[in-house]
Amino acid sequence: DAKTTQPPSMDCAEGRAANLPCNHSTISGNEYVYWYRQIHSQGPQYIIHGLKNNETNEMASLIITQDRKSSTLILPHATLRDTAVYYCIVRVGHDYKLSFGAGTTVTVRA
Amino acid sequence: GAGVSQTPSNKVTEKGKYVELRCDPISGHTALYWYRQSLGQGPEFLIYFQGTGAADDSGLPNDRFFAVRPEGSVSTLKIQRTERGDSAVYLCASSPNTDREEAFFGQGTRLTVV
Repeated sequence: DAKTTQPPSMDCAEGRAANLPCNHSTISGNEYVYWYRQIHSQGPQYIIHGLKNNETNEMASLIITQDRKSSTLILPHATLRDTAVYYCIVRVGHDYKLSFGAGTTVTVRA
Repeated sequence: GAGVSQTPSNKVTEKGKYVELRCDPISGHTALYWYRQSLGQGPEFLIYFQGTGAADDSGLPNDRFFAVRPEGSVSTLKIQRTERGDSAVYLCASSPNTDREEAFFGQGTRLTVV
């Protein structure tokens, strides 16, 4: 019962922006969009989350479409250390569970 | 340390043995979670603690799995009569509370049952 759809893999050139898409066409009004990433042999790391508005922090930007059915995570200047599996998760605000799908394996190439 | 600490980092055990996996959450975090990650898959929820009590253990696969958090800080995941299918990375995470707070994950314990 995956709530999100992500491409299985994508490549990105070092120093360029990486745009990671996520579809969540059945998202409910009280569900947030979260992004985590998992670098090889490490635990998942929180990146960013949002409800309706676009969000930006020191790691990334999150662009959510007006109908909220899809979103894009933007890594503005990808580095080799950004190579990881990126997970897009929808989560009700008060829910404690994170439901990880398969994610997108992002490979940043020099 | 400032992060979530899990010990051991690796554990190899024989089929049928009992194992304990330990998680030290970030100090002051009341919420604690255990997840399991099989090779090539995303983490799957096992159990959630709020303070000392297990608020939701619906993700535990069967009654061979049990977890405790007696003083509301350190947690131990216990697996009895281990099976080869239990081999996975067991991840622990903590957060200050559950309301839209990010979860901080440890490095995980890689369990191999031979």
